[in-house]
Amino acid sequence: EPEVTQTPSHQVTQMGQEVILRCVPISNHLYFYWYRQILGQKVEFLVSFYNNEISEKSEIFDDQFSVERPDGSNFTLKIRSTKLEDSAMYFCASSAGVEAFFGQGTRLTVV
Amino acid sequence: GIQVEQSPPDLILQEGANSTLRCNFSDSVNNLQWFHQNPWGQLINLFYIPSGTKQNGRLSATTVATERYSLLYISSSQTTDSGVYFCAVGPWSNTGKLIFGQGTTLQVKP
Repeated sequence: EPEVTQTPSHQVTQMGQEVILRCVPISNHLYFYWYRQILGQKVEFLVSFYNNEISEKSEIFDDQFSVERPDGSNFTLKIRSTKLEDSAMYFCASSAGVEAFFGQGTRLTVV
Repeated sequence: GIQVEQSPPDLILQEGANSTLRCNFSDSVNNLQWFHQNPWGQLINLFYIPSGTKQNGRLSATTVATERYSLLYISSSQTTDSGVYFCAVGPWSNTGKLIFGQGTTLQVKP
């Protein structure tokens, strides 16, 4: 069964460093998303991406964040100059239209 | 924006018991999904159910879109059912984003 895959599963980074979280969406999907879940809280929408551009972003998705689809298979989330409060689980999701399928998540720890 | 409320926030069951989890939402939606977050943090798709009723083994779900609520039924619960159950809804838009509720934390005791 096709699935969304994310790498790495866990990343530890120092405050101020840049991180890139990677995702391979399901191959025939056209809509891509990033979500964030701070420990113990609900899952929050960050950004949606369609036709090689951002279609919607939340207030959380400020200039520190960027997304890219560098080739036909990968979808990345870059966080510049990480802060302690960026520590969270980051989920990538993809959709062919409505129903979204989520990856297993990347746990980011900023120290 | 759309508000999503789940109840109860916490639930403790003995193995074998049945339970009903509820999700209320404040506006019409074109998507509703139920997820189970396992102890490793993974979000497992349970149901895509913007309306109607679906069943998958011991789990079933019903969404009454006109009344803006959805129910997730777990029958004959097992310890492996433990975790957090999230309801997420999609507003009528062309971006497909999901808005999650706060979740119901289920603990099934042996």
